Amino acid sequence: GNSVTQMEGPVTLSEEAFLTINCTYTATGYPSLFWYVQYPGEGLQLLLKATKADDKGSNKGFEATYRKETTSFHLEKGSVQVSDSAVYFCALTKGYIPTFGRGTSLIVHP
Amino acid sequence: GAGVSQSPRYKVAKRGQDVALRCDPISGHVSLFWYQQALGQGPEFLTYFQNEAQLDKSGLPSDRFFAERPEGSVSTLKIQRTQQEDSAVYLCASSLDRGGRDYNEQFFGPGTRLTVL
Repeated sequence: GNSVTQMEGPVTLSEEAFLTINCTYTATGYPSLFWYVQYPGEGLQLLLKATKADDKGSNKGFEATYRKETTSFHLEKGSVQVSDSAVYFCALTKGYIPTFGRGTSLIVHP
Repeated sequence: GAGVSQSPRYKVAKRGQDVALRCDPISGHVSLFWYQQALGQGPEFLTYFQNEAQLDKSGLPSDRFFAERPEGSVSTLKIQRTQQEDSAVYLCASSLDRGGRDYNEQFFGPGTRLTVL
């Protein structure tokens, strides 16, 4: 079956540091890949997505590239802010049912 | 409202009680999903509606769980004879797509946190 593996959290960084959150997946065929973000007390929000190999999704300074050869979709940001503190979920969809990773908590200190 | 809303936001139930959780999707959204999110885990799929039709209920953990969307808009997730293992956050999401295309964005509600004592 499909699965998504994310790096364990929490990830703790100082403001303006570089962020990488690793995500790898297992799926047959060519799934679509997503990163969702969940701020405290709120629902999940789509952060970015990529629907085919070598696509790069980007939004709000975050980027992730769909790597078919390594089955990865790592999330990166060059300079994090305190307001980026949240839980980040990697997900894939094959058909209409998404499979989510466990989430990675990011804490950014001033 | 502009987004997906869920009520109640918090629900405490005694073991054995029945509960009903409501989801108001974004107006016009065809697809509606329910998920269960245990503490420290990602959301797990429960069931999927396209308009009023429940097309997939493969994720419902037992026959105590029942979902409906009778008019193709508001949906209710009902849990009968609640057990402690049902304690979780229940998320609802809606999507505009009509054909189950996997690249379409889902818009999530804030969730209902259910605690079963």
